[in-house]
Amino acid sequence: EAEVAQSPRYKITEKSQAVAFWCDPISGHATLYWYRQILGQGPELLVQFQDESVVDDSQLPKDRFSAERLKGVDSTLKIQPAELGDSAMYLCASSLGRGLYEQYFGPGTRLTVT
Amino acid sequence: ILNVEQSPQSLHVQEGDSTNFTCSFPSSNFYALHWYRWETAKSPEALFVMTLNGDEKKKGRISATLNTKEGYSYLYIKGSQPEDSATYLCASPGQGAQKLVFGQGTRLTINP
Repeated sequence: EAEVAQSPRYKITEKSQAVAFWCDPISGHATLYWYRQILGQGPELLVQFQDESVVDDSQLPKDRFSAERLKGVDSTLKIQPAELGDSAMYLCASSLGRGLYEQYFGPGTRLTVT
Repeated sequence: ILNVEQSPQSLHVQEGDSTNFTCSFPSSNFYALHWYRWETAKSPEALFVMTLNGDEKKKGRISATLNTKEGYSYLYIKGSQPEDSATYLCASPGQGAQKLVFGQGTRLTINP
């Protein structure tokens, strides 16, 4: 069964350092999502791609976060510089489309900023 | 901003007992309601996507109902097993179906 791949699974970094996460969605899924999940809360959408285009990045802290999906396939989320408050689980998901389509999630990257 | 609420936040149930929990969402401009199960150290997994008022969906011992007029959905688990221990998330895309807004989840623990 096809799965969403993410790497790394765990990342410990010092504040002010740069960190990057990678996601490979299920083949054929046009929509890709990056979520941040803080313990005790539900996932919060950071950025949503339709193919290679960003369709929603309203909750992305653009002064330090960036995301790209250059060829409309895999995607990278970067944080520079990392802050203590960025410690969270970062989840990637993909789907055939928006709204009615179920999302398929990767295992996530647990980020700890020290 | 769409507000999706889940209750309770956590729940402990004895193995073999049945249980249920709630997801509340705005009834106006309803589009769809998603349920996901997230087991520890695994990826969140879709359970149901529901769209019609009065709809009921079932997967094994898990079922869900939807009331779009009053803005709630119930998730039921019959005869709980230890493998049902997980966080259950609901989410709704709201008006325009642009993005899913998740509730904070219900953390379910099944005691053997």
